[in-house]
Amino acid sequence: DSGVTQTPKHLITATGQRVTLRCSPRSGDLSVYWYQQSLDQGLQFLIQYYNGEERAKGNILERFSAQQFPDLHSELNLSSLELGDSALYFCASSSWDSSNYGYTFGSGTRLTVV
Amino acid sequence: AQKVTQAQTEISVVEKEDVTLDCVYETRDTTYYLFWYKQPPSGELVFLIRRNSFDEQNEISGRYSWNFQKSTSSFNFTITASQVVDSAVYFCALSDFGNAGNMLTFGGGTRLMVKP
Repeated sequence: DSGVTQTPKHLITATGQRVTLRCSPRSGDLSVYWYQQSLDQGLQFLIQYYNGEERAKGNILERFSAQQFPDLHSELNLSSLELGDSALYFCASSSWDSSNYGYTFGSGTRLTVV
Repeated sequence: AQKVTQAQTEISVVEKEDVTLDCVYETRDTTYYLFWYKQPPSGELVFLIRRNSFDEQNEISGRYSWNFQKSTSSFNFTITASQVVDSAVYFCALSDFGNAGNMLTFGGGTRLMVKP
């Protein structure tokens, strides 16, 4: 267990629908990042939250939105889904204390849009 | 802007061969961090190593070794005596603090196939 929990692990839905992906960061980590990995593609940064506030934005579509709650868990909302949104979505959290800096990734949510 | 390039999209070797995966990065910051991750067929991202920009010491961990050269902005990864279990996609990644955030920027990945 990496310490970052993503749910659900798999999701199958139809085009036009809306889904919510959930991420609980590792205990004590304030930053949460979302990444998208389409089939045979690299990892594309979507968005970062730090302690409830949006910190940085990457190539995130307008149909997608995210938020981080007071308990630090984060949700990524994907709406008006298209076939091309099928991908593996990763959440990561980061720790920058001197002894253990770096990023911890969840196991991902595999989204299939049919 | 930061950028990571992994020029080798796919490498195929026979078991027990040595293989080097190349990684070249770009950043304007003097303080940055470099990482390698392994993504096996099961899909999860497995952390392999991190390096900060002030530590150019090469590192060896078992059959894995990393060569960090700031002069050429490279952070290459070598697997010695490759094994079938090494078959995976390997990602090099960079994080700096030049932007408002400190996200990881990944290279495109190198798919390594080790044949028995």
